[in-house]
Amino acid sequence: DTAVSQTPKYLVTQMGNDKSIKCEQNLGHDTMYWYKQDSKKFLKIMFSYNNKELIINETVPNRFSPKSPDKAHLNLHINSLELGDSAVYFCASSPGTIFSEQYFGPGTRLTVT
Amino acid sequence: AQKITQTQPGMFVQEKEAVTLDCTYDTSDQSYGLFWYKQPSSGEMIFLIYQGSYDEQNATEGRYSLNFQKARKSANLVISASQLGDSAMYFCAIHPRRGGSQGNLIFGKGTKLSVKP
Repeated sequence: DTAVSQTPKYLVTQMGNDKSIKCEQNLGHDTMYWYKQDSKKFLKIMFSYNNKELIINETVPNRFSPKSPDKAHLNLHINSLELGDSAVYFCASSPGTIFSEQYFGPGTRLTVT
Repeated sequence: AQKITQTQPGMFVQEKEAVTLDCTYDTSDQSYGLFWYKQPSSGEMIFLIYQGSYDEQNATEGRYSLNFQKARKSANLVISASQLGDSAMYFCAIHPRRGGSQGNLIFGKGTKLSVKP
């Protein structure tokens, strides 16, 4: 059983399009996250979501919007895609207790042409 | 603000030897957690080891150990008896106190480890 899953694994699309990445965790965790890994492998938090409380990273453009239909899912919707959005996007989850490790999904490689 | 510095962009180690990957951090929090993750070429992020700021003993997990020096703000990862499968990117991360940053990890830029046969 995959603990944290993401779909799709690869996403190639054109500038200006709108796309979504889905994330599901079956670990019963309370907290979920989206991270972006750029071409230089640098990982940066985008959002964290804990029990219906969304924490938005102010550096993330508002074209990015996370949506959580329930505790096990945190999807990422991106409007008006730009070339600079090309990256690997990781979903992660944690129990939400202090200093608990985060479990990462396999990542979604987004390529904007 | 919290910050992680990994000064070694790339390292080589001979198979079966030990290797130390450096990590220094900067935080004003008294309570925090330090993590190491491995990212093989396949891309997934694999949790390796955790050290809490109030833990008196260095963390160990199999061949991985964390050399935690709080006064120096360093949390180096030691891999003993390197194996070819250890070749990967290694990321150090800090988890600030929950109330301050809602629990997200702050990562360093990573160290690419290559194990030579």
